[in-house]
Amino acid sequence: GAVVSQHPSWVICKSGTSVKIECRSLDFQATTMFWYRQFPKQSLMLMATSNEGSKATYEQGVEKDKFLINHASLTLSTLTVTSAHPEDSSFYICSAPTGGDEKLFFGSGTQLSVL
Amino acid sequence: DAKTTQPTSMDCAEGRAANLPCNHSTISGNEYVYWYRQIHSQGPQYIIHGLKNNETNEMASLIITEDRKSSTLILPHATLRDTAVYYCIVGFSGGYQKVTFGTGTKLQVIP
Repeated sequence: GAVVSQHPSWVICKSGTSVKIECRSLDFQATTMFWYRQFPKQSLMLMATSNEGSKATYEQGVEKDKFLINHASLTLSTLTVTSAHPEDSSFYICSAPTGGDEKLFFGSGTQLSVL
Repeated sequence: DAKTTQPTSMDCAEGRAANLPCNHSTISGNEYVYWYRQIHSQGPQYIIHGLKNNETNEMASLIITEDRKSSTLILPHATLRDTAVYYCIVGFSGGYQKVTFGTGTKLQVIP
């Protein structure tokens, strides 16, 4: 099946710094990608929809200036957590739909720990 | 808001069939039923999807009731590696609809 590659798998950073997470579709083009956040023992929460060549669409309550999304090509979307704080520590996951039946393929996730 | 209801958790003996139910009573005529699973600390994995006919692939079978208000995912011979959270989702095929996850069913396969 289609492959979505997400990097890094885990990252530890100091409070106040910024962290960039990359999501790549390896064998298909993705005009749309989705970014999720997941806290321990909770379900995935959709943060935003990344659209190639246009602005991302953010879900209610998600700060667009804090979670910067760039989708500059058909195979790459990035999520930058700016001025990270400990409460931003979470598991971040990207996904992309492929094929006419729109099933989603997911990255392996990024565990962010902000100290 | 999630449009499905699933039991919070289930146990299944290794080697036996695991039957995971899902209620989606408000499903519309052109919405599909998708199943994904998430093994601990990994990204979710697509399992199977269907519209109204029963479907089978190498991973599982999907049984959808005639009125389409509920479905059952069947793992025919559960193994320990099938221990995961299973999510049932309804959505449209085509159009890149955003997907909202509910709480899912935590399946524990017991040796």
